[in-house]
Amino acid sequence: EDKVVQSPLSLVVHEGDTVTLNCSYEVTNFRSLLWYKQEKKAPTFLFMLTSSGIEKKSGRLSSILDKKELSSILNITATQTGDSAIYLCAPGDSGGGADGLTFGKGTHLIIQP
Amino acid sequence: GAGVSQSPSNKVTEKGKDVELRCDPISGHTALYWYRQRLGQGLEFLIYFQGNSAPDKSGLPSDRFSAERTGESVSTLTIQRTQQEDSAVYLCASSLMRASQAFFGQGTRLTVV
Repeated sequence: EDKVVQSPLSLVVHEGDTVTLNCSYEVTNFRSLLWYKQEKKAPTFLFMLTSSGIEKKSGRLSSILDKKELSSILNITATQTGDSAIYLCAPGDSGGGADGLTFGKGTHLIIQP
Repeated sequence: GAGVSQSPSNKVTEKGKDVELRCDPISGHTALYWYRQRLGQGLEFLIYFQGNSAPDKSGLPSDRFSAERTGESVSTLTIQRTQQEDSAVYLCASSLMRASQAFFGQGTRLTVV
């Protein structure tokens, strides 16, 4: 059975801090790892990672995949209150797995001013 | 359309009634997912459609839940004899292909009273 584990489940930090969110997975026929940010209803796409060791960056957010360790991290530097959200990761498989996109329970990040 | 569209955005129904939720995916997207998200919880996979293949129904919680999709167009999620535990936000997402970037609709908030 495919599994996705995110840690920590919740995190409270102060504005300006740097945070690292973790995602580990066990997926049959791994194809990609996707990160999403969910503030209200619809999760919004952040990154899609397919290659190990290549960092993807968008402003203060960056993410990297480690296929050997079956994990990915999402870094946010100089956090702002607007970064408060649930961050979700989802490994995608190319077939043979339970489904195309299984989400972890998410990390609930709270940035205090 | 420009994005994934879900209707209704909110639905209040009496326990025991049937409800039908609709999802209009992005045109050309072969993959379509339904998720359920209870208050404070993660995204719970319900069902996945990929092109004309048989859908992956492994996440449907009971036989009261069913979903259909005609080709690569609209999908409907039907919940029969609703129960209070069905109260949640139901999110639909579509992607160009399996395991690629998925775009989410704004969801339908279902309240069973």
